[in-house]
Amino acid sequence: DVKVTQSSRYLVKRTGEKVFLECVQDMDHENMFWYRQDPGLGLRLIYFSYDVKMKEKGDIPEGYSVSREKKERFSLILESASTNQTSMYLCATSPRVFGYTFGSGTRLTVV
Amino acid sequence: TQLLEQSPQFLSIQEGENLTVYCNSSSVFSSLQWYRQEPGEGPVLLVTVVTGGEVKKLKRLTFQFGDARKDSSLHITAAQPGDTGLYLCAGEINSGYALNFGKGTSLLVTP
Repeated sequence: DVKVTQSSRYLVKRTGEKVFLECVQDMDHENMFWYRQDPGLGLRLIYFSYDVKMKEKGDIPEGYSVSREKKERFSLILESASTNQTSMYLCATSPRVFGYTFGSGTRLTVV
Repeated sequence: TQLLEQSPQFLSIQEGENLTVYCNSSSVFSSLQWYRQEPGEGPVLLVTVVTGGEVKKLKRLTFQFGDARKDSSLHITAAQPGDTGLYLCAGEINSGYALNFGKGTSLLVTP
């Protein structure tokens, strides 16, 4: 089975801090995705990558950036954390769009 | 823009009852997936449907893809407390890279 590991389950950061969320997959999947999940809003796509060093903006990229230097690792960066970025962050991977495997999520609180 | 509308948003039933969850869109999808998410965890893929009119069964769960590939339903027979969770539908448009998710149906099954 594909395993998708997110570095932290829970994270508390201060406003203005630079925050790194890491996601690592143990299969050779091309596509990786970052979503955030908020009550009443569902899952919203932040960024995705279909190859090393490639990235595409999703629906809500503002305030975020990503890095994919190696195929197995996709990092989400909050350049200057704000309270409205408090959310559940989910990383997913797939060999193609056909069937995502999600990580367990990182619940980020910005205070 | 919410491409996929799920209904109902919340559902609370007793063990042994049947239920149906709907996922509707005005867009045509090349494939549609259903996920279940438990609190504090990432969504887990249940099924992928790709052909209009397709019906797939997974034990007590029956998934149907509409003939026009714009809608889908999930029917659970004799619900059990272990079915409790958030059910998400997600669709792929034009074989793009990223899925569009509905906001989910939160199901609670009480003994």
